[in-house]
Amino acid sequence: NAGVTQTPKFQVLKTGQSMTLQCAQDMNHNSMYWYRQDPGMGLRLIYYSASEGTTDKGEVPNGYNVSRLNKREFSLRLESAAPSQTSVYFCASSDTYGGNYGYTFGSGTRLTVV
Amino acid sequence: AQSVTQLDSQVPVFEEAPVELRCNYSSSVSVYLFWYVQYPNQGLQLLLKYLSGSTLVKGINGFEAEFNKSQTSFHLRKPSVHISDTAEYFCAVSDLIDSWGKLQFGAGTQVVVTP
Repeated sequence: NAGVTQTPKFQVLKTGQSMTLQCAQDMNHNSMYWYRQDPGMGLRLIYYSASEGTTDKGEVPNGYNVSRLNKREFSLRLESAAPSQTSVYFCASSDTYGGNYGYTFGSGTRLTVV
Repeated sequence: AQSVTQLDSQVPVFEEAPVELRCNYSSSVSVYLFWYVQYPNQGLQLLLKYLSGSTLVKGINGFEAEFNKSQTSFHLRKPSVHISDTAEYFCAVSDLIDSWGKLQFGAGTQVVVTP
């Protein structure tokens, strides 16, 4: 089925470890996004990529980096994980006019940092 | 800057009863509005959206929402809920200035449907 695929689904890290969350979409969307979801706070934008070759910071970028590898793939990297980064991470994509027409979300990555 | 307030963090409701989830937003420019649903351990799915035109928007699974510009609200309603409607619901806004459509989400409303 067409959509947004995220890997891994679950991950436990020790403080200070690094990891990369992978995201790929097969809908030929230009824009891609990374959000984190925390209880009572909704979803907060970490980084986004309006089109291939561009990335920009969102609301909560500290401690993260991203790479738009090509039109399909947008990865999120934690260089030195901290317990405050324990969260559920969602990747999303949208068409050229962005979220104005609605996002398609992946199923999420549940990350625990101990 | 835009913001979204969902007025209820949790809404308990009996099966076959109506439900209303309240959403207010603030923005200095015109906006697009969305409701998403998240079932347990899943990603978010689009329920409905308001872009322009009729202020009453119908979505999937029998949900509808009404855009009220004067009250800056976009409340979600369903006349008769099912057990399967138990989920978390998110209101989101995107302003028309930002053509790359970054969505601002509310904190979410947990709907719990009981028999």
